[in-house]
Amino acid sequence: DVKVTQSSRYLVKRTGEKVFLECVQDMDHENMFWYRQDPGLGLRLIYFSYDVKMKEKGDIPEGYSVSREKKERFSLILESASTNQTSMYLCASSPRGYRTPGYTFGSGTRLTVV
Amino acid sequence: QQQVKQSPQSLIVQKGGISIINCAYENTAFDYFPWYQQFPGKGPALLIAIRPDVSEKKEGRFTISFNKSAKQFSLHIMDSQPGDSATYFCAASRTNSGGSNYKLTFGKGTLLTVNP
Repeated sequence: DVKVTQSSRYLVKRTGEKVFLECVQDMDHENMFWYRQDPGLGLRLIYFSYDVKMKEKGDIPEGYSVSREKKERFSLILESASTNQTSMYLCASSPRGYRTPGYTFGSGTRLTVV
Repeated sequence: QQQVKQSPQSLIVQKGGISIINCAYENTAFDYFPWYQQFPGKGPALLIAIRPDVSEKKEGRFTISFNKSAKQFSLHIMDSQPGDSATYFCAASRTNSGGSNYKLTFGKGTLLTVNP
């Protein structure tokens, strides 16, 4: 069964901490994505990557950075966590190519910043 | 700028009824329109998708209707069941210069409750 695995289901961090959220996929997908999900706001794209060491900003990149050193792993970094970054974070991957079957999502990491 | 507008925000349907969720988009370059289903504690999962070369696609009890001229598409769930209770997201993307669809823009979601 193909998978996107997020390393933590729940995290509690303090304001100002540097936070790493890890995502690993085993489908050899080229594209990987980080979204945050908030009630009433849906899924908003933070960053995405379409190849190793490549990254592009999404709609809400402020306060975040990403790293993709290997094809299967895409990390989201909160440089200095703030309370407004309390959210559900979802990682997804997809293969390259037209008429692809769409994203596969992980189960999410619920981050609370106190 | 919200490129994909989804309505309603929440929907309550009786078992056996028809659930209808609507989405409207602005970018005429969009050419891939999937729907995702999300259960509590899980990530969204692809439910059904359509491309604008057809006006309707049906998979079991789930049907997408697509109106290119109106820039609207909708999800119909026939014979709705309590197990269909979930959050549904519409989304859209376009083919880039390299021939890939990859960046999805999502609607804000609809919480569907199907009462027994």
